[in-house]
Amino acid sequence: GAGVSQSPSNKVTEKGKDVELRCDPISGHTALYWYRQSLGQGLEFLIYFQGNSAPDKSGLPSDRFSAERTGGSVSTLTIQRTQQEDSAVYLCASSSRQGITEAFFGQGTRLTVV
Amino acid sequence: GENVEQHPSTLSVQEGDSAVIKCTYSDSASNYFPWYKQELGKRPQLIIDIRSNVGEKKDQRIAVTLNKTAKHFSLHITETQPEDSAVYFCAASRGTSYGKLTFGQGTILTVHP
Repeated sequence: GAGVSQSPSNKVTEKGKDVELRCDPISGHTALYWYRQSLGQGLEFLIYFQGNSAPDKSGLPSDRFSAERTGGSVSTLTIQRTQQEDSAVYLCASSSRQGITEAFFGQGTRLTVV
Repeated sequence: GENVEQHPSTLSVQEGDSAVIKCTYSDSASNYFPWYKQELGKRPQLIIDIRSNVGEKKDQRIAVTLNKTAKHFSLHITETQPEDSAVYFCAASRGTSYGKLTFGQGTILTVHP
């Protein structure tokens, strides 16, 4: 595709349910990031995938959060037993080679936990 | 790991004035410094970037300066316009075998007509 695609664009879920957020990076991009952005706040780093290297999971806020990247392309962020404080916009970004080129962001998934 | 500090958190200027946003970084091995603009309800988008072999880069009304010795870089917007109102993020990366982008906290710029 032409850009980074995320789905769904909006997700409303009940507290305690699990959710999966999907990111389709730009074809050929080896680096993929997940960020979380609460209303009016900055970009909170969650996880970083780079090629075949072990992912940097240092930003995941709890063990309820996990992410995987299959075949070096599509990534899924999973939040188990969602809590109200998980409500935010989840942004995915990809870049073509390591960190030295532009990172392109998806439009985000707005998650609301009720 | 890298730590990027960004100031100010909010900046209000009159149309036509200049705006300056500053960032400092901790990792002396960082050599790629992009700036992103995020308009309300939209995704962040790159507006300008600089690499460590360059001290200054300009693109029309936008310029970025880099001081590697002091480990800081700045975004300068001249002749500001209301459409410049947005959140601006700086970032830093090593750009080597593990070049994760680390973002600053963001600056909310408001340009008053």
